[in-house]
Amino acid sequence: NAGVMQNPRHLVRRRGQEARLRCSPMKGHSHVYWYRQLPEEGLKFMVYLQKENIIDESGMPKERFSAEFPKEGPSILRIQQVVRGDSAAYFCASSTDRGPGNEQFFGPGTRLTVL
Amino acid sequence: AQSVTQLDSQVPVFEEAPVELRCNYSSSVSVYLFWYVQYPNQGLQLLLKYLSGSTLVKGINGFEAEFNKSQTSFHLRKPSVHISDTAEYFCAVTRGVSGGYNKLIFGAGTRLAVHP
Repeated sequence: NAGVMQNPRHLVRRRGQEARLRCSPMKGHSHVYWYRQLPEEGLKFMVYLQKENIIDESGMPKERFSAEFPKEGPSILRIQQVVRGDSAAYFCASSTDRGPGNEQFFGPGTRLTVL
Repeated sequence: AQSVTQLDSQVPVFEEAPVELRCNYSSSVSVYLFWYVQYPNQGLQLLLKYLSGSTLVKGINGFEAEFNKSQTSFHLRKPSVHISDTAEYFCAVTRGVSGGYNKLIFGAGTRLAVHP
């Protein structure tokens, strides 16, 4: 059973471009969480999605950021018009259920560098 | 709201020595507590978790942690570390309420460096 997959692992964008980060959850997992890790900081929650639904996006910046988890295919985190402050590692995690005790399995992350 | 404080940003230790990584949390509701390990350029791996029951929790790789409600702490310990334990360790909490979901609040991390 493959783990959580994220691609690309490294992404370089110039200011003003768009970044698309993809996350394929573990087989059988329908719950996806996105976290951002800024340099020298812990992970910060961004958004929680179930298939086709955004449940909680309280950690997402109000502008330029969006997320989706379609019925088919991976979850996508999209950052429009990137700025240098968006440079960070973006991790997604998946779980089988929504309960607070359910383990989240993390992917290896996408490291975004904005030039 | 919940918050997590990891009191040490870096902990250097010699191989085979014991280690304790400290974690304190703040919450107005009951919480579930977690420790994750992150090896360089990798994702996070769950070491152990406290949901309820015994306050001493044993995890993988010989780690254990003790939940202390009165001191709002969840310190991670290992009696004898190995070089391979060198990594970043994150303490995390989530609201421990039924019907809730697992939105993790992380501490800033502790970098454990094991020296020969």
